[in-house]
Amino acid sequence: NFKLTQPHSVSESPGKTVTLSCTRSSGSIATSYVQWYQQRPGTSPTTVIYENNQRPSGVPDRFSGSIDISSNSASLTISGLKTEDEADYYCLSYDSSNQGRVFGGGTKLTVL
Amino acid sequence: QVQLVQSGAEVKKPGASVKVSCTASGYTFSNYPIHWVRQAPGQGPEWMGFISPSGGYTVSAQELQGRVTMTTDTSTNTVFMGLTSLRSEDTAMYYCAREGRNFDFWGQGTLVTVSS
Repeated sequence: NFKLTQPHSVSESPGKTVTLSCTRSSGSIATSYVQWYQQRPGTSPTTVIYENNQRPSGVPDRFSGSIDISSNSASLTISGLKTEDEADYYCLSYDSSNQGRVFGGGTKLTVL
Repeated sequence: QVQLVQSGAEVKKPGASVKVSCTASGYTFSNYPIHWVRQAPGQGPEWMGFISPSGGYTVSAQELQGRVTMTTDTSTNTVFMGLTSLRSEDTAMYYCAREGRNFDFWGQGTLVTVSS
């Protein structure tokens, strides 16, 4: 079993670029794909990145994902921030030891 | 269009059981597993488990093993999640989600409140 750790909150101004991190506690981040979900208040989560760096159709190319083996972490980068990007963001990965899925604790992104 | 429609909100007393349904439409039900995710108020999502579309294979989170049951009714394309021995910590929004290359479609959520 492993945990995914995310910073609790991040703030940035409109038009800027922000990078959200997701650090895996044990085992390599490269072992399983990482997904990123956006959740606005009162709504179900939606995918913004899957398979580390793939964008679903309809997600703007301002959203990008990557992994860094040296820091054992995944990152979600949002460029050209808009106020509509203000939301909670969660990373998710697969735990091959038990076929489970592990969510990070989430990052609250504030755009102001 | 793909839709997952969940049953309505539930209020249960501690020690009781709850069963939440998730009815799928707009795609071939037999092609995708369904996962259950819950989210306590003000908290992040917690993965609960998944069921194969045939209903023949399930995996549940270790913390919930023994209390959670997932079943399917392929005649109505409906997946059910049952949780027993409810306690206040089980108060949460419960979501079903279809797994393609990610959790690509989610239900609207079912609020389960456990209170005496």
